[in-house]
Amino acid sequence: EAGVVQSPRYKIIEKKQPVAFWCNPISGHNTLYWYRQNLGQGPELLIRYENEEAVDDSQLPKDRFSAERLKGVDSTLKIQPAELGDSAVYLCASSRGQANTEAFFGQGTRLTVV
Amino acid sequence: QQQVKQSPQSLIVQKGGISIINCAYENTAFDYFPWYQQFPGKGPALLIAIRPDVSEKKEGRFTISFNKSAKQFSLHIMDSQPGDSATYFCAASMQGGYNKLIFGAGTRLAVHP
Repeated sequence: EAGVVQSPRYKIIEKKQPVAFWCNPISGHNTLYWYRQNLGQGPELLIRYENEEAVDDSQLPKDRFSAERLKGVDSTLKIQPAELGDSAVYLCASSRGQANTEAFFGQGTRLTVV
Repeated sequence: QQQVKQSPQSLIVQKGGISIINCAYENTAFDYFPWYQQFPGKGPALLIAIRPDVSEKKEGRFTISFNKSAKQFSLHIMDSQPGDSATYFCAASMQGGYNKLIFGAGTRLAVHP
């Protein structure tokens, strides 16, 4: 089966500009996660979706970050406006949605804010 | 309470040697402890995982040792190979699932031929 697909792979933007990341999860996976991985660190959860519903967005900086998962499949993560500290790899992952199932990660989008 | 502390930051091992990476946690509510392997430019991939009801789990050359009383767990890679060179992350979650994985900071392993 195809894995989690993310685009773009790389993005360089100037600070204060908007940016959006796209994720297509594995077919049939109801749970979708967005993680942020800073250089030299482990991933940190930003938001988790169960189908269309955001069930855990406690660590999403809501003043500048937004996410959506229309129709419970693809998802978009947006930052507006971007700050220098947002430079990181943004990882999308998906799982079947039941407890104890493995989360599969995409390759990530490397964002550089200059 | 939510932190998972991982050591060492980096590790160099000769081919055929044993690689050992350690993690410690504080939150006793954690009940699932996976290890992830990440190659450059790739997303993390699940390597092996353990639950607190067992003290050891082995899959091929990879073994997790778990010490519930000490709140520590470790990854052992036997007969380390150059292809094992990657960054390894320990993680922990509550309620047995992947709902909210708390990751350690990672260990960069280099296996020299």
